[in-house]
Amino acid sequence: GENVEQHPSTLSVQEGDSAVIKCTYSDSASNYFPWYKQELGKGPQLIIDIRSNVGEKKDQRIAVTLNKTAKHFSLHITETQPEDSAVYFCAASAPSGTYKYIFGTGTRLKVLA
Amino acid sequence: DTEVTQTPKHLVMGMTNKKSLKCEQHMGHRAMYWYKQKAKKPPELMFVYSYEKLSINESVPSRFSPECPNSSLLNLHLHALQPEDSALYLCASSQVIGGRASSTDTQYFGPGTRLTVL
Repeated sequence: GENVEQHPSTLSVQEGDSAVIKCTYSDSASNYFPWYKQELGKGPQLIIDIRSNVGEKKDQRIAVTLNKTAKHFSLHITETQPEDSAVYFCAASAPSGTYKYIFGTGTRLKVLA
Repeated sequence: DTEVTQTPKHLVMGMTNKKSLKCEQHMGHRAMYWYKQKAKKPPELMFVYSYEKLSINESVPSRFSPECPNSSLLNLHLHALQPEDSALYLCASSQVIGGRASSTDTQYFGPGTRLTVL
């Protein structure tokens, strides 16, 4: 079945450094890739997304890149701040008609002050 | 505004109780979702409503009963739950583009209800 692999599972960076989280999806028909940030005790918050007709998208300190050939997509956070500490989930759209996202297993990011 | 609200924030119930979780959105979204999330795991889809009709039931036990009274509200009725049902229950909504809900629609999540079954 479809799956999304996400790495690393935990990531610690110093404040001000960059963080990169990588996901690989299995279904070549996937064409929408959202990223969610989930803080402790809260629901997932959409932080950025990308569609398959675009290779890169940026929003201030956050960027997402997509390589359709390799079926990889990555989240890049620059100039990390302590408030970036959270669990990040990538997701890929499942086949048409299913309404489902296939979620990655999550990355716990810790930004050390 | 991309706000989805959920009540209550926390719920503790016994295995013989009946309770309900509520979700509300005023973004004009016509697809609404219930997810279950266990600790350190991604959300798992339970139900999808599209235009107030149940579109997907991911083989969820009948002790969970969803209801969509109107386009803004989504309920999850709970009865005879088990301790392993303890989890964070998340509601989400998405705009339906092209007249039919799709996995390429952006889903916005609520804060969740933390459920503990004793």
